[in-house]
Amino acid sequence: AQSVSQHNHHVILSEAASLELGCNYSYGGTVNLFWYVQYPGQHLQLLLKYFSGDPLVKGIKGFEAEFIKSKFSFNLRKPSVQWSDTAEYFCAVIKDTDKLIFGTGTRLQVFP
Amino acid sequence: DGGITQSPKYLFRKEGQNVTLSCEQNLNHDAMYWYRQDPGQGLRLIYYSQIVNDFQKGDIAEGYSVSREKKESFPLTVTSAQKNPTAFYLCACIGAGGWDEQFFGPGTRLTVL
Repeated sequence: AQSVSQHNHHVILSEAASLELGCNYSYGGTVNLFWYVQYPGQHLQLLLKYFSGDPLVKGIKGFEAEFIKSKFSFNLRKPSVQWSDTAEYFCAVIKDTDKLIFGTGTRLQVFP
Repeated sequence: DGGITQSPKYLFRKEGQNVTLSCEQNLNHDAMYWYRQDPGQGLRLIYYSQIVNDFQKGDIAEGYSVSREKKESFPLTVTSAQKNPTAFYLCACIGAGGWDEQFFGPGTRLTVL
């Protein structure tokens, strides 16, 4: 069974629009959650992570994500996107303490 | 300069040939991972190793093999048994702090002709 689901496969926005990318996980127990970004032709980069504590996590480049345990969700948000945010975004969860399992990714295109 | 390297960046092979992808790290990290990335499928775990001379299968290990003879090296062999080997392959390592201390390599794009 898929441990991480990203239902938005392709999102198209205009600059300055707000962004929310969905991520749901189906793994019970303690979870560690991550969002990564992969710009065209570049390495995978860690945007933010949640291990414990404040469920609202701030990351780099103005991104944030909220862990909602009751909804098994960890959605990524940005109030105002820029053309440079065009990239692919991956949600991931630690499974069985030693395996990082990724979602299928969301391709974001931002038009000027 | 510490980090994780993968070589080569692009690799071409004929169908039916085995090919080995390199992953080296000088971070002294114990755990190393191999992922395969395909469009629309995200990254899928092939093999991982928590310690030298030990490794475990991930979700899509069929058609692949690995070795972990040295802490700094975790090569991945794509065998002829792998039905669809053309993909982007990513290596990662994590430190003693667990996934709070993670590094991903630049990847190798393998094309089988």
